[in-house]
Amino acid sequence: EPEVTQTPSHQVTQMGQEVILRCVPISNHLYFYWYRQILGQKVEFLVSFYNNEISEKSEIFDDQFSVERPDGSNFTLKIRSTKLEDSAMYFCASSARWGDEQFFGPGTRLTVL
Amino acid sequence: SQKIEQNSEALNIQEGKTATLTCNYTNYSPAYLQWYRQDPGRGPVFLLLIRENEKEKRKERLKVTFDTTLKQSLFHITASQPADSATYLCALDLAGKLIFGQGTTLQVKP
Repeated sequence: EPEVTQTPSHQVTQMGQEVILRCVPISNHLYFYWYRQILGQKVEFLVSFYNNEISEKSEIFDDQFSVERPDGSNFTLKIRSTKLEDSAMYFCASSARWGDEQFFGPGTRLTVL
Repeated sequence: SQKIEQNSEALNIQEGKTATLTCNYTNYSPAYLQWYRQDPGRGPVFLLLIRENEKEKRKERLKVTFDTTLKQSLFHITASQPADSATYLCALDLAGKLIFGQGTTLQVKP
């Protein structure tokens, strides 16, 4: 069964460093998303992406964040200068159509020291 | 203000019973509502989607209802099993982005 994959599974970084989280969505899906979940809190929407551009972004997704689909398979989330409060689990998701079920990856646990 | 709330943080039931989880929302008008399961340290897994013009949806032992007047969805697991123990997330679908509730952790005891 096709699945969304994410790398790395755990990333530890120093405050102020740049990180890139990588995702491979399901191959025939057209809509891509990033969510985050701070430990013990709810899953929060960050950004949606379609046709090589951002469809919608939340207040969390400020100028420090960017997304890219550099080739036909990868979807990346970059945080330019990490803060302590960026420590969370980051989930990538994809869907075939607008309003469809979303398939989530296993997540990348980001720890900012 | 906009809110989405799931009835309780934790629910404990005996194996074989029906679990009923509640999701209430205010100041949203979702076209769809989705339910996901999340196990510790894992990503959410899709269970059911219900549209605003549907009253009820079923899938095996799962049933979801959606009342747009009450702004409420109920999620039922019948004949519950210990393997159903997990956190269940309600999510409003707003133009493709999902707004999640905080989840209800279900514990099914043998």
